Amino acid sequence: DTEVTQTPKHLVMGMTNKKSLKCEQHMGHRAMYWYKQKAKKPPELMFVYSYEKLSINESVPSRFSPECPNSSLLNLHLHALQPEDSALYLCASSQDLGRSGGRNYGYTFGSGTRLTVV
Amino acid sequence: ELKVEQNPLFLSMQEGKNYTIYCNYSTTSDRLYWYRQDPGKSLESLFVLLSNGAVKQEGRLMASLDTKARLSTLHITAAVHDLSATYFCAVELTGNQFYFGTGTSLTVIP
Repeated sequence: DTEVTQTPKHLVMGMTNKKSLKCEQHMGHRAMYWYKQKAKKPPELMFVYSYEKLSINESVPSRFSPECPNSSLLNLHLHALQPEDSALYLCASSQDLGRSGGRNYGYTFGSGTRLTVV
Repeated sequence: ELKVEQNPLFLSMQEGKNYTIYCNYSTTSDRLYWYRQDPGKSLESLFVLLSNGAVKQEGRLMASLDTKARLSTLHITAAVHDLSATYFCAVELTGNQFYFGTGTSLTVIP
């Protein structure tokens, strides 16, 4: 299995709703990522998990809350979002060899969740 | 602050022509990736460049990396319509940091 699976593919939510985005990979990758991509812009790094621990938080507002329940799963919990948070949310994974002195090789991206906040 | 800049941002070229997209980055890295993105779609990996002087080719696309100049290029040979897409370079830093360039929107005109 060489895929990163994201669900749902599309999500429409109100500003008072709570929802979650899910990401799953079975490649044995130990680093997982959330990116946000606005139309006609590059993906922006939000969070990085390494060995199930949050290693990077790029000053993301607290209305976005990541969670890594195990090495194969990554969630992004959403609460009290704003219309400007509407975007494509991409999950990615990679091998994380940092602890053994190695380097990452290859990042695999999911197909994304198209989020619309109304 | 890391900057990853691509040039040009928009490119319109005729079928059969050649062109080069440039990716400059502002900090030390020896790993550079190229991705393609079609409208409304996710990112498709094109090339992984792992060292200074690396050159990779696939079909009409060829990518190279000069780590000393902090420059990568994506060369398009004899463009065809199917190459129309947005192309991103991405720089890998230590500590699982992976940052995208500004993107180049390519349109190939018949």
